[in-house]
Amino acid sequence: QLHLQESGPGLVKPAGTLSLICTVSGGSITGNNNYWGWVRQPPGKGLEWIGSIYYDGSTHDNPSLKSRATISVDTSTNQFSLSLASATAADTAVYYCARQSGLCNGADCYVTFFNLWGQGTLVTVSS
Amino acid sequence: DIQMTQSPSSLSASVGDRVTITCRASQGVSHWLAWYQQRPGKAPQFLIFASSTLQSGVPSRFSGSGSGTDFTLTISNLQPEDFATYYCQQYYSYPITFGPGTKVDVK
Repeated sequence: QLHLQESGPGLVKPAGTLSLICTVSGGSITGNNNYWGWVRQPPGKGLEWIGSIYYDGSTHDNPSLKSRATISVDTSTNQFSLSLASATAADTAVYYCARQSGLCNGADCYVTFFNLWGQGTLVTVSS
Repeated sequence: DIQMTQSPSSLSASVGDRVTITCRASQGVSHWLAWYQQRPGKAPQFLIFASSTLQSGVPSRFSGSGSGTDFTLTISNLQPEDFATYYCQQYYSYPITFGPGTKVDVK
């Protein structure tokens, strides 16, 4: 059974880089039509999509983060990662990694819903 | 960006009740809409995709409907484990966006 687990520092200094890794176990990150995404949730608030990646490295990002977010994948370790530069207190949130289903029409694939989630990890941006 | 709204923002109900949550998109999303349940302190759980298709293992008391801009999630015969917050999400266009959530609590 596929399992996702987030890991990384729980505290980041303002202006620093928030870095998280999601480890996929119980299956391959290169599975067909699977995308891998990051979602965050500030304390007491709703869900915000950060971005998603396919195992070939192609990504889709949320423009609201103004290119501060970088998502990468390492198929040799079955992991994907998130880096969020220039962190501020507004980036304090629970960060979830999740599997997404891809919907493909020929060579064009679209990222869809999140059908499996990690447990989430709280990252606080504070000095 | 497509803005998602949900109503009500919260509701109180009793075990056995029928509950309906509405999700509205700022522009048409066809049937490309998903629903999630989130219990306090837990990750969201995937319930429904394509507006009305139940994910495997989701109890049949959950149902979804709608297309275009207006969608509903209905829980018939509410069970104790159903008290949670529910989110809709559109995947018609980027960026993917979620509704603000509807909290279902105990009356």
